[in-house]
Amino acid sequence: DSGVTQTPKHLITATGQRVTLRCSPRSGDLSVYWYQQSLDQGLQFLIQYYNGEERAKGNILERFSAQQFPDLHSELNLSSLELGDSALYFCASSLAGGTNEQFFGPGTRLTVL
Amino acid sequence: DQQVKQNSPSLSVQEGRISILNCDYTNSMFDYFLWYKKYPAEGPTFLISISSIKDKNEDGRFTVFLNKSAKHLSLHIVPSQPGDSAVYFCAASLYGSNYKLTFGKGTLLTVNP
Repeated sequence: DSGVTQTPKHLITATGQRVTLRCSPRSGDLSVYWYQQSLDQGLQFLIQYYNGEERAKGNILERFSAQQFPDLHSELNLSSLELGDSALYFCASSLAGGTNEQFFGPGTRLTVL
Repeated sequence: DQQVKQNSPSLSVQEGRISILNCDYTNSMFDYFLWYKKYPAEGPTFLISISSIKDKNEDGRFTVFLNKSAKHLSLHIVPSQPGDSAVYFCAASLYGSNYKLTFGKGTLLTVNP
């Protein structure tokens, strides 16, 4: 158990819909990262937050957005969903001081029908 | 453009023998490299890492070797155990990138009893 929690575990929705994925980092971690793992793809970095502020952006679509709240949990919002958005979405967290080792949650499997 | 490549999608070894997983990268600015292990239905788990100032790091049965001139790293597992069967991801990070990780697509290791 990494200490990072993600909800829900599974999500099935239809094209055009909007969903919210939630992540709670390990106790004491200020950084949260979001990654997408599509079929046959490695993990693709989406976005990073540090203590409530956006720090880095990767290959995140404009239809996707994220935020980190004062209690440090983070939410990833996916809107106007397309079939190709079906993937595993992982959240990771790391120590406040900055470290390369990130601790991953179990992921949310999103299926868009 | 895949900056971190794991060219072997799968590897099968016998229990007790050595497992060697390989990873190549193209960005010479990467300065920290990590290996993660992932079991089905779980998030990736940090295994071992190496800084670009070193060429070897060892932790129990796991050793990572870094060849900067060849832009190549490898993970050695000795002796391999059936419980090591998992997908192994190589990842790299760049100084000043806020520690975001660039992952390879992974190698499925199967250790046969």
